[in-house]
Amino acid sequence: QKEVEQDPGPLSVPEGAIVSLNCTYSNSAFQYFMWYRQYSRKGPELLMYTYSSGNKEDGRFTAQVDKSSKYISLFIRDSQPSDSATYLCAMSAFSGGSNYKLTFGKGTLLTVNP
Amino acid sequence: GAVVSQHPSRVICKSGTSVKIECRSLDFQATTMFWYRQFPKQSLMLMATSNEGSKATYEQGVEKDKFLINHASLTLSTLTVTSAHPEDSSFYICSASMTGVTAFFGQGTRLTVV
Repeated sequence: QKEVEQDPGPLSVPEGAIVSLNCTYSNSAFQYFMWYRQYSRKGPELLMYTYSSGNKEDGRFTAQVDKSSKYISLFIRDSQPSDSATYLCAMSAFSGGSNYKLTFGKGTLLTVNP
Repeated sequence: GAVVSQHPSRVICKSGTSVKIECRSLDFQATTMFWYRQFPKQSLMLMATSNEGSKATYEQGVEKDKFLINHASLTLSTLTVTSAHPEDSSFYICSASMTGVTAFFGQGTRLTVV
């Protein structure tokens, strides 16, 4: 079983739709949870960062973490064509010394159609 | 926000030559830098992790002698692809972390070996 599972999609939605992106994980040592957005041929951009279970909102984006179910989500409200990108979940666990290891999901390709 | 600059953004080289890619954290000190490789429509593949002043830790299957990583300062890491061959053509991305928990990515370098 992979440490982080993410449905690669592709996911296609109409403009204005609510988008739900999800990841599951198996390593209970993960403590920090992140969502990155990657446009084609660009480096990923950090969107959201959470530590504990619960919700965190930033504009049209809401990140949700459920540690008991080992499940994280990213919701995008009022989706726009400019949201079309690959979304990667990432999780971080302490790996010894002062180091943390970051593990990525495979990414979900999202297309928002005008 | 934290800015990571990667240079060059695109490079074409002849088979057998070496190519150096630079990764700089512009407004923070990066205790840890990561190098990734990404093939088209695939997720990020971690190649190595480097801490300032220490030897890089390579992931299984990554050739240390082929992908030389130097992290000489808290703001600069370099990846040198030695004796490049067409199969080394890929998108290389660096990321830098100050806390070890989250990481910020460079813009990526598209390497084409002809």
